[in-house]
Amino acid sequence: GAVVSQHPSRVICKSGTSVKIECRSLDFQATTMFWYRQFPKKSLMLMATSNEGSKATYEQGVEKDKFLINHASLTLSTLTVTSAHPEDSSFYICSALLLTSVNEQFFGPGTRLTVL
Amino acid sequence: KQEVTQIPAALSVPEGENLVLNCSFTDSAIYNLQWFRQDPGKGLTSLLLIQSSQREQTSGRLNASLDKSSGRSTLYIAASQPGDSATYLCAVKGNQFYFGTGTSLTVIP
Repeated sequence: GAVVSQHPSRVICKSGTSVKIECRSLDFQATTMFWYRQFPKKSLMLMATSNEGSKATYEQGVEKDKFLINHASLTLSTLTVTSAHPEDSSFYICSALLLTSVNEQFFGPGTRLTVL
Repeated sequence: KQEVTQIPAALSVPEGENLVLNCSFTDSAIYNLQWFRQDPGKGLTSLLLIQSSQREQTSGRLNASLDKSSGRSTLYIAASQPGDSATYLCAVKGNQFYFGTGTSLTVIP
């Protein structure tokens, strides 16, 4: 099956710093990628849809200036958490859309962000 | 807005038992429904995907059914094993993916 990677898998940073998370589709091209956030013992919540070569589409309530998304190539999308605060601590998961008759999403392994 | 609910929230069974996980959704206008497995601190592993025109899908000991008109799906796990212990999430695809609240499964050796 299609493989999606995320880097880093874990990151700890101080309040006020920025953190970049990478999402890569390893064996297919993805014009569309998605970023999700998962709180402890909660389900996944879609943050934004990342489109290659154009601006990301953010879900209601997600600050676009806080969570910067860049989809510069067909295999890479990045999420940058700017001026991180402890409440940004969470598990961030990306997925990439494989366009076939099924249009299936393949998910990355997630990134655990802890802001001190 | 689509709402996806999973019952039960947690389930503990002895090894070898057959079990059923339930997923319900409020808007039947979906493209597909997918079941995932998530291990603690890990990402999602896709188990089964059912297209809106299909009624069920099978993979090994897993069988997923879909009744779109009633807004329900079930995931049947046969002969459960300790390695099946994980959180199981269902997700329906409309204009975006909507995830359920998950069922935490523990299979006791």
